[in-house]
Amino acid sequence: DTEVTQTPKHLVMGMTNKKSLKCEQHMGHRAMYWYKQKAKKPPELMFVYSYEKLSINESVPSRFSPECPNSSLLNLHLHALQPEDSALYLCASSQDEGGYTEAFFGQGTRLTVV
Amino acid sequence: AQKITQTQPGMFVQEKEAVTLDCTYDTSDQSYGLFWYKQPSSGEMIFLIYQGSYDEQNATEGRYSLNFQKARKSANLVISASQLGDSAMYFCAMRAPASGTYKYIFGTGTRLKVLA
Repeated sequence: DTEVTQTPKHLVMGMTNKKSLKCEQHMGHRAMYWYKQKAKKPPELMFVYSYEKLSINESVPSRFSPECPNSSLLNLHLHALQPEDSALYLCASSQDEGGYTEAFFGQGTRLTVV
Repeated sequence: AQKITQTQPGMFVQEKEAVTLDCTYDTSDQSYGLFWYKQPSSGEMIFLIYQGSYDEQNATEGRYSLNFQKARKSANLVISASQLGDSAMYFCAMRAPASGTYKYIFGTGTRLKVLA
């Protein structure tokens, strides 16, 4: 099973709403990632969790709050977002943070902030 | 600093023909990994192929092969016998954990259109 599952697939939220994106993998991977991708652009790293601890925060605004409840789950809590935050949010996992193995990506959540 | 460059914003190929997507990279690290991903319009990033910097042979995975030229710092993807389902965005990526950079760095992508 090389699957990373993201929910929901689509999300429309107002600027005052609070919502969460969820990501799950059962490959035993110890590194998990959140990427943001705008249309026609490459994915941009937001956060990296390694062994359930936040390893990298790419200076992401505090209105995005990641959480890793256990080794299989990764959440991204959203609050007071701006329209420019509308994008495809991709979750990924890899065997561990320090290796050279590939990352597996989920299908993404298409977020629209209105 | 590490960087991936994909100079072809878009490519066309006739069905059943082979196509090469270009990728050059820049890193001062001796140890790194190079990856190619396919992104259909559905959004999912699909892993295609991996090449390690110390691998002497070019990687192959089915119809995909990676033309690795270390001295030129290039890692081109070759797709043989193109199929209509190959139409997608293709990203080259690099990872160099030894330098402490654990993230996957992506190029700007090449949009491939396979013509019937």
